[in-house]
Amino acid sequence: AQSVTQLDSQVPVFEEAPVELRCNYSSSVSVYLFWYVQYPNQGLQLLLKYLSGSTLVKGINGFEAEFNKSQTSFHLRKPSVHISDTAEYFCAVSARGRGAQKLVFGQGTRLTINP
Amino acid sequence: DSGVTQTPKHLITATGQRVTLRCSPRSGDLSVYWYQQSLDQGLQFLIQYYNGEERAKGNILERFSAQQFPDLHSELNLSSLELGDSALYFCASSVGTSGNFYDEQYFGPGTRLTVT
Repeated sequence: AQSVTQLDSQVPVFEEAPVELRCNYSSSVSVYLFWYVQYPNQGLQLLLKYLSGSTLVKGINGFEAEFNKSQTSFHLRKPSVHISDTAEYFCAVSARGRGAQKLVFGQGTRLTINP
Repeated sequence: DSGVTQTPKHLITATGQRVTLRCSPRSGDLSVYWYQQSLDQGLQFLIQYYNGEERAKGNILERFSAQQFPDLHSELNLSSLELGDSALYFCASSVGTSGNFYDEQYFGPGTRLTVT
């Protein structure tokens, strides 16, 4: 079984400041890792994913994340945020292999960008 | 636009009632997943179907059931509704490959259910 812990429920930052949203996971098997974004009153959009290879993954809207196997973490970063980044961010995992697998989500981190 | 459609967008109903949420997967996708997003439980996996057959079950209540039809669309049936069932219900679809392959899920816009 897998579980995901997002360490911060809310993160307020000023516009153009850097941000890091933290995610730790637990799993007895190898996993794929994801970050999704949910803008107000909208569905889920995939920001980026780690499947294999380089541990630094780049996604849309200038976001990137680093997979750290020893620390079982997959933190999301952006060097300079914009007001439009205000949204809820979800870290998720799914078991690797054996075809289609369910996603297990963290509780979400609400990112608020202040001018 | 992910290519996954869900109807209706909004649904308001009373306690004790029964509703049906519908999902049409992307063209060619054989797997359909249902997720529930509520304030207290967060985003939870409910159930998965693959080509008409139930493949995996998550935290789905006995009052809830789902099916996938021969044309691959899926319906989630919620009965004896309670206030706590108010949530956003997402459907996702994937190709449904087997073996050691990554199978990306594409999410629909969701159906917001309000139970009064």
